[in-house]
Amino acid sequence: GNSVTQMEGPVTLSEEAFLTINCTYTATGYPSLFWYVQYPGEGLQLLLKATKADDKGSNKGFEATYRKETTSFHLEKGSVQVSDSAVYFCAAPFGNEKLTFGTGTRLTIIP
Amino acid sequence: NAGVTQTPKFQVLKTGQSMTLQCAQDMNHNSMYWYRQDPGMGLRLIYYSASEGTTDKGEVPNGYNVSRLNKREFSLRLESAAPSQTSVYFCASSTRSWEQYFGPGTRLTVT
Repeated sequence: GNSVTQMEGPVTLSEEAFLTINCTYTATGYPSLFWYVQYPGEGLQLLLKATKADDKGSNKGFEATYRKETTSFHLEKGSVQVSDSAVYFCAAPFGNEKLTFGTGTRLTIIP
Repeated sequence: NAGVTQTPKFQVLKTGQSMTLQCAQDMNHNSMYWYRQDPGMGLRLIYYSASEGTTDKGEVPNGYNVSRLNKREFSLRLESAAPSQTSVYFCASSTRSWEQYFGPGTRLTVT
């Protein structure tokens, strides 16, 4: 069936390190793909999206490229900051009016 | 522009008590959602409403009821609270392009 799988955390990095959080999907066709971020004590907010294959979404220094060959949408950032500490969710729409979310990856950045 | 608002922010109930969580959005979105978030479980969809006057079950609907009062408001009711319903509850609304906007959450404890 349709699903979204993302790497399990937690992930702990030093400030200015390179970040990759893996996300892969299983689906018929090519759904839009999303990354959401949840800062401590808050609701989720959309970080970036890609609506078709080969699109690159970007926001706040984060990037993700929709790669249909590997059915992946990995989240990357070249130099992370303490303020990037949060939980990150990959998501895709597989059903009518519904998004399916991955299980979330907790990221902690240490100074 | 308030986005998605939820009340209350915190609530403590005793087993068997009832309560209603309120949600409202001012973005003129057709679709609205209720999720629960438990540690290590990611987000689980309880109910959703694709448009005013319609509601559908999500992944974990047992023990909950919903009402789409109008286009702006979508409430979640616990008729007889149980300790297993201790969680953080999020309401969300979405555009036609699947972008979801989340409220700040309600932290519910059932003792």
